[in-house]
Amino acid sequence: QKEVEQDPGPLSVPEGAIVSLNCTYSNSAFQYFMWYRQYSRKGPELLMYTYSSGNKEDGRFTAQVDKSSKYISLFIRDSQPSDSATYLCATSTGGGNKLTFGTGTQLKVEL
Amino acid sequence: GAVVSQHPSWVICKSGTSVKIECRSLDFQATTMFWYRQFPKQSLMLMATSNEGSKATYEQGVEKDKFLINHASLTLSTLTVTSAHPEDSSFYICSARDSTGTGRDNEQFFGPGTRLTVL
Repeated sequence: QKEVEQDPGPLSVPEGAIVSLNCTYSNSAFQYFMWYRQYSRKGPELLMYTYSSGNKEDGRFTAQVDKSSKYISLFIRDSQPSDSATYLCATSTGGGNKLTFGTGTQLKVEL
Repeated sequence: GAVVSQHPSWVICKSGTSVKIECRSLDFQATTMFWYRQFPKQSLMLMATSNEGSKATYEQGVEKDKFLINHASLTLSTLTVTSAHPEDSSFYICSARDSTGTGRDNEQFFGPGTRLTVL
């Protein structure tokens, strides 16, 4: 079993839709949770960074962490074609420690 | 701020040759950098943690004699793929932790990646 599970997709939605991306993890020692966006043939770009359980909002993006169920989510409101990319969840046991990534979900937002 | 560069962005080499990839933090110091490998349609897999002034820490299953890491300064880490073979063809990505006391030391900033093709 992988430490971080993520549905690879692809996920296709119409422009303006609310997108829900999810990951589950197995290691209860994970304390930091991140979402990265990666365009084709580019390095990952940090979108959201949360510590422990709770919600965090930044513009059209909301990250949720539920440590009791080991479930992390990223919501994208009013999705745009420019949001089309692969979204990777990542976790770590301590700030700045090595990251464990999910497989990434490929998202396509269509006009 | 927090820009990480990699050089080269892509490289093609013959089987049996060695290839060096550079990772630089351009506007911050990084005592710790990480090297990842990503195969097509797969996630990033950590290869090793590079520590300035000391030996790198390799993940299980990664050959340290094949993937040589040198972190000689606070802004530069290099990964050398020695005696490269076609199965080493992949996307190599580095990341860096900001150790300059800006409060961002919990984050990793990623480079744009280096695409290696071994013929």
